[in-house]
Amino acid sequence: DTEVTQTPKHLVMGMTNKKSLKCEQHMGHRAMYWYKQKAKKPPELMFVYSYEKLSINESVPSRFSPECPNSSLLNLHLHALQPEDSALYLCASSQPVGAADQETQYFGPGTRLLVL
Amino acid sequence: GNSVTQMEGPVTLSEEAFLTINCTYTATGYPSLFWYVQYPGEGLQLLLKATKADDKGSNKGFEATYRKETTSFHLEKGSVQVSDSAVYFCALRGSGGGADGLTFGKGTHLIIQP
Repeated sequence: DTEVTQTPKHLVMGMTNKKSLKCEQHMGHRAMYWYKQKAKKPPELMFVYSYEKLSINESVPSRFSPECPNSSLLNLHLHALQPEDSALYLCASSQPVGAADQETQYFGPGTRLLVL
Repeated sequence: GNSVTQMEGPVTLSEEAFLTINCTYTATGYPSLFWYVQYPGEGLQLLLKATKADDKGSNKGFEATYRKETTSFHLEKGSVQVSDSAVYFCALRGSGGGADGLTFGKGTHLIIQP
């Protein structure tokens, strides 16, 4: 099973709202990632969690706040977003370092976010 | 830093035609290389991968060979179908160890006409 699930599938929010995106995997992966993908562009890395600790933050604005409450879940909390933050937000996960297939990231279907 | 260059397209082919999408990369050491496919409105699906020089990845009739001498990982398929219409991303992951993000090419939009 190589499934990563994301909820919600679609989200519309105003600039003053607070919302959260959720990502879940049950493959025993210990690295989880958030990417942002604008239309007709490749995904761009936002955050990396390794063993539930934030290891990479690609200079993402503080209105995006990641959280990894346990080894299976990854959240992205959103607050005071701007219309230019509208995009597809993709979650991915991979095996821990040293494990077989550690280099492969498996992606979820994404959450399509529209900020009005 | 790492980078990936691929033809952007759109690439339009007739059904049963031969497909090549070129991908070249710049990276230090020995990166792992991937092709991902994205269908409209969906996330990324791993199509194939290669983790060391001269490895050939293959899946669903698609193939790509890791060529270190030419720093390339071109995607090929002998006979494309309408259902292959999608955006294809070439990507690499550096060999530095530890969890790290993928570096993507800009994506190639493939359109297969019946």
